[in-house]
Amino acid sequence: GNSVTQMEGPVTLSEEAFLTINCTYTATGYPSLFWYVQYPGEGLQLLLKATKADDKGSNKGFEATYRKETTSFHLEKGSVQVSDSAVYFCALPIYNQGGKLIFGQGTELSVKP
Amino acid sequence: DTEVTQTPKHLVMGMTNKKSLKCEQHMGHRAMYWYKQKAKKPPELMFVYSYEKLSINESVPSRFSPECPNSSLLNLHLHALQPEDSALYLCASSQGQGVRDEKLFFGSGTQLSVL
Repeated sequence: GNSVTQMEGPVTLSEEAFLTINCTYTATGYPSLFWYVQYPGEGLQLLLKATKADDKGSNKGFEATYRKETTSFHLEKGSVQVSDSAVYFCALPIYNQGGKLIFGQGTELSVKP
Repeated sequence: DTEVTQTPKHLVMGMTNKKSLKCEQHMGHRAMYWYKQKAKKPPELMFVYSYEKLSINESVPSRFSPECPNSSLLNLHLHALQPEDSALYLCASSQGQGVRDEKLFFGSGTQLSVL
């Protein structure tokens, strides 16, 4: 079946450090892949997406490349800020199921000044 | 307007109470969703409405009753809840076109406590 495995946190970094959050997936076919972010006290927001192999999604300095050969979609940022402190979810939409998303377990990121 | 508005933000209810959660969007989206999120866990899908018809019910107990009065509104009626139902309830919407990279817009949620 379809599943998403995500690196668990919490992750604590100093400001300007490099960030990687690992995400791998199992799915039939060639799904789109998403990263959603949840800031404290808020709902989820789409951070970036990729719709086919070798696509790179990017937004707010974050990047993730859709790697079909390793079934991965790792999130990276070169220099994190305190304002990036949040929970990050990798997500896999299930085709033909009305926008249903399968989420990874979430990774809590805390960035210290 | 790219907002999904949920009310109330916080709700405390007893196990014998009846209450409702409300969700509203004015983006012209035709799909609306209820998700349940326990602390430090990912959201879990409960219901999907597509074009005002219930299209997905993820085997949710009948003490949760969704309603979609029109394309902009989504309600979740609560009755005889259990303490384990305490969670953040998130509403979301999307265009409803069924495309493979359909973006969901989430509200900030209702934090529900059942005593």
